[in-house]
Amino acid sequence: SYELTQPPSVSVSPGQTASITCSGDRLGERFASWYQQKPGQSPVLVIYQHNKRPSGIPERFSGSASGNTATLTISGTQALDEGDYYCQAWDTSAGVFGTGTTVTVL
Amino acid sequence: EVRLVESGGGLVQPGGSLRLSCAASGFTVRKNNMTWVRQAPGKGLDWVSIIYNDSNTEYADSVRGRFTVSRDNSKNMVYLHMNSLRAEDTAIYYCARVGSSGWFFDYWGQGTLVTVSS
Repeated sequence: SYELTQPPSVSVSPGQTASITCSGDRLGERFASWYQQKPGQSPVLVIYQHNKRPSGIPERFSGSASGNTATLTISGTQALDEGDYYCQAWDTSAGVFGTGTTVTVL
Repeated sequence: EVRLVESGGGLVQPGGSLRLSCAASGFTVRKNNMTWVRQAPGKGLDWVSIIYNDSNTEYADSVRGRFTVSRDNSKNMVYLHMNSLRAEDTAIYYCARVGSSGWFFDYWGQGTLVTVSS
């Protein structure tokens, strides 16, 4: 079965850039999406189709993908960006989520 | 405004059954693909099932043969029928809409908790 691997945690200072990777076989050929989830809340879509932002998502969120890796970048990270982030892709006929990354703003 | 509201969760014994409901507003479920995603306590997101706008369905290996997703177009609702429940099915279950331009989930409900325990 298809698997997506993320680092368990990423720490970033306020105002700096946070990068979260997601690795999967030929992920760059599939469309990766990213979700933010804060404690006790439902996930929120922040990036879809590798690099598109839904309306209402700040410009500091961006995405890219190449080869086996997709990357979510948060520029000028703010304290309110803390939370868990999950990548997601589609494999044949099943959704697949990444292992999740906790972003901490120190 | 798009809104999804799940209901039907609760405590059920192993081997029991439960039906979850997802009430949609602000869009028409029969014109969209709809999916269920779950999250065990303290764990990550886990895809469960999808019902396509043509009524075809797909399931994760872990639930295939035990769970059934359905839709009531007249009520604009989606359901997840869960049978032969196991302790490992304990999770918050989310209903989500699949984006019209691709395989991503653009709107999510608040979730409903299912606890399988004796």
